[in-house]
Amino acid sequence: GEDVEQSLFLSVREGDSSVINCTYTDSSSTYLYWYKQEPGAGLQLLTYIFSNMDMKQDQRLTVLLNKKDKHLSLRIADTQTGDSAIYFCAESRGSSNTGKLIFGQGTTLQVKP
Amino acid sequence: NAGVTQTPKFRVLKTGQSMTLLCAQDMNHEYMYWYRQDPGMGLRLIHYSVGEGTTAKGEVPDGYNVSRLKKQNFLLGLESAAPSQTSVYFCASSHNLDENTEAFFGQGTRLTVV
Repeated sequence: GEDVEQSLFLSVREGDSSVINCTYTDSSSTYLYWYKQEPGAGLQLLTYIFSNMDMKQDQRLTVLLNKKDKHLSLRIADTQTGDSAIYFCAESRGSSNTGKLIFGQGTTLQVKP
Repeated sequence: NAGVTQTPKFRVLKTGQSMTLLCAQDMNHEYMYWYRQDPGMGLRLIHYSVGEGTTAKGEVPDGYNVSRLKKQNFLLGLESAAPSQTSVYFCASSHNLDENTEAFFGQGTRLTVV
């Protein structure tokens, strides 16, 4: 099917690690993305991973990709209250003349002080 | 460099009225998208365009039409608004999907249909 699936809600304490999971369906997706949406705002790109990579680290963010299971995760180390937001995973589908960007439902991350 | 600009930011419509949402980007991007965001359902793709003069249906196209007459603009039209179209609408643009490319989003249009 078309779905990119995410759990809807995650609550962590400040300083803990957060892990947000995502499953996707299109094995031909070239890039997979994580976007962040703060209240009342549009989405901003956090990080991305190319489909031939297993892991990518970017400061406090670690992206893990399991192509066999079509599973993507985002780990945020030392989570801060400013990380509270909705996090969306997205996959790019298709070629340059037919492609589109498909998003999951979004995971609301709540960080408690 | 304004990025992606959506107008209007807020609108209230009566059932049956029509309106057009405008999206403008100044980054010379080929791809443009219209999404709607509803609680618990995330972003759903309404229509998209891979270049000037082309449009394609997304996941939830019914009740909407689009046009891409100029590369920098992507218009979303509601011919006869229904309460089910109450939502927050986001426009986005990107270069293409063959290489890593970030999608840039507008700030959203909050539409209420009463």
